[in-house]
Amino acid sequence: QLQLQESGPRLVKPSETLSLTCIVSGGSLGTSSYYWGWIRQPPGKGLEWIGSIYYSGSTHYNASLNNRVTISQDRSKNQFSLKLTSVTAADTAVYYCVRPHDFGSGYRGFDPWGQGTLVTVSS
Amino acid sequence: DIQMTQSPSSLSASVGDRVTITCRASETINRYLNWYQQKPGRAPKILIYGASILQNGVPSRFSGSGSGTEFTLTISSLQPEDFATYYCQQSYSNPLHTFGQGTRLEV
Repeated sequence: QLQLQESGPRLVKPSETLSLTCIVSGGSLGTSSYYWGWIRQPPGKGLEWIGSIYYSGSTHYNASLNNRVTISQDRSKNQFSLKLTSVTAADTAVYYCVRPHDFGSGYRGFDPWGQGTLVTVSS
Repeated sequence: DIQMTQSPSSLSASVGDRVTITCRASETINRYLNWYQQKPGRAPKILIYGASILQNGVPSRFSGSGSGTEFTLTISSLQPEDFATYYCQQSYSNPLHTFGQGTRLEV
């Protein structure tokens, strides 16, 4: 059974870079046709898709994050990572790593999700 | 970008009630619409994909319908465990995705 687990610092200072890693177990990061991604949720608010990385390494990001996002993968460690630069208090959120699952017929949905990790931006 | 708008943003109901949540897309997304349920402190869980296809293990009291720009999630008879927040999400513009703002279903 595929499982995802986020790890990384829980507290980041304003203007610095938020870095998180998602460890994949029960499946291979390099499996053909798989995407992997990140979603965040500010406290008490809704879900925001951050970006995705394809098994080939190509990436797609939410334009609203103004080019501050980089998602990368390390197949040797079976993990993928998120970097968000120049953070502010508005970036305080629970960050989830996810797999956009292909249900067939072109239908994709996020399943599974990591448990999520709260990252607070504060000095 | 495709925008998703849910209504209502919150909804009060009782056990046994039939409830409907609506999700509208800013442009046509065919049937590339998913519904998620999120309980406090937990990651969301996908309930429905392809607008109307129940994910494995989801109770049959949940149903989805719609295509194009308007979609609904219906719970036919609310159970205590159904009180949660529900989100729609479009996958038409995969790999770019957007969520609705959520509907909080409460007693």
